[in-house]
Amino acid sequence: AQSVTQLDSQVPVFEEAPVELRCNYSSSVSVYLFWYVQYPNQGLQLLLKYLSGSTLVESINGFEAEFNKSQTSFHLRKPSVHISDTAEYFCAVTPSGAGSYQLTFGKGTKLSVIP
Amino acid sequence: DAGVTQSPTHLIKTRGQQVTLRCSPKSGHDTVSWYQQALGQGPQFIFQYYEEEERQRGNFPDRFSGHQFPNYSSELNVNALLLGDSALYLCASSFDRRSYNSPLHFGNGTRLTVT
Repeated sequence: AQSVTQLDSQVPVFEEAPVELRCNYSSSVSVYLFWYVQYPNQGLQLLLKYLSGSTLVESINGFEAEFNKSQTSFHLRKPSVHISDTAEYFCAVTPSGAGSYQLTFGKGTKLSVIP
Repeated sequence: DAGVTQSPTHLIKTRGQQVTLRCSPKSGHDTVSWYQQALGQGPQFIFQYYEEEERQRGNFPDRFSGHQFPNYSSELNVNALLLGDSALYLCASSFDRRSYNSPLHFGNGTRLTVT
């Protein structure tokens, strides 16, 4: 079984400041890792994913996340946040092998960008 | 290109009643997953349907059942509703590519309130 821990439930940050949202996972097998974003009254949207290859992955809107296997972490970072980044962010994992189709999510981190 | 659509958007039911939620997957997708998102929590996997069969199930009681139709749309049924079933129910679709994990596309959800 897998589990995901998002260490901060809420993160307030000033506009144009950097931010890091922390995610740690537990798994006895290799995993794929994801970050999803949820805007108010909407479903989840995929922000970025790690499947294999380079441990640093980037999204089109300036977010990046680095897979650290030894620390079992997949922290999300952005060097300069905008008001529009205000949302809830979910880290998720799924086993990379065949036969498992469910995502296990963390409890989420609410990012509030302060003007 | 329509994304994942869910109906209804909101629903209020009484304890003990039964409810049916509906989902149409994104065009080109053949796999539907259902998740329950309680207030303040991350989504939890209920089950996944592929080729009209339940392929995998999470830790939910038999009161939760589903169906997938030949056009890939899906229903989630919950019997004998409990107050604890109040949540946002998310449908997610994907294309079943067994060579790698296919990212999920989520709908905006159905907000179920049990009184």
